[in-house]
Amino acid sequence: DAMVIQNPRYQVTQFGKPVTLSCSQTLNHNVMYWYQQKSSQAPKLLFHYYDKDFNNEADTPDNFQSRRPNTSFCFLDIRSPGLGDAAMYLCATSRDMRADTQYFGPGTRLTVL
Amino acid sequence: AQKVTQAQTEISVVEKEDVTLDCVYETRDTTYYLFWYKQPPSGELVFLIRRNSFDEQNEISGRYSWNFQKSTSSFNFTITASQVVDSAVYFCALSEADSGNTPLVFGKGTRLSVIA
Repeated sequence: DAMVIQNPRYQVTQFGKPVTLSCSQTLNHNVMYWYQQKSSQAPKLLFHYYDKDFNNEADTPDNFQSRRPNTSFCFLDIRSPGLGDAAMYLCATSRDMRADTQYFGPGTRLTVL
Repeated sequence: AQKVTQAQTEISVVEKEDVTLDCVYETRDTTYYLFWYKQPPSGELVFLIRRNSFDEQNEISGRYSWNFQKSTSSFNFTITASQVVDSAVYFCALSEADSGNTPLVFGKGTRLSVIA
């Protein structure tokens, strides 16, 4: 029944060591989003894909990249994680863009040592 | 610019009490959608409700109810007879259908603690 799946649920990496988080969906939605959420804060949108069209938020650091090889999968690559990148990373999907409901995965909690 | 304000940072109630979580929004669009999400300690954001700007009818779903008032730009959420399992952070969010570059704008969230 899982609709938006994120792996792993917990990820530990070392300062500067590249890490990849994955997200998959069974909803066949057009749009996939990546959010960063730090403790006691609201989720912050990093970027999203509408099908294959990539949209980066203006304040998303270059250290964060994303790939969407097909409809079902989307990856978040952090090229050189810093201590400030420790956070919960949430993947979400929606059928369409504006005003459509976003469905979230369980998140990946990233720790940077 | 679109904005969502959840003035209550934290609320504590005793089990079985009713509790209302406030949400005030700002938008210039005439067509927009409002959402509530629940985030339990596990971290997943759980969708609760989506309401469009043309539908001001209040909604009830079990112990949950929502009061949408365009005159005051508010979309408040009430939990009746609260339970310990209701303990979570609740986010109100706004999406403008006509304009705006951000698909979904969240409030800062209200942390609800229900004490047995």
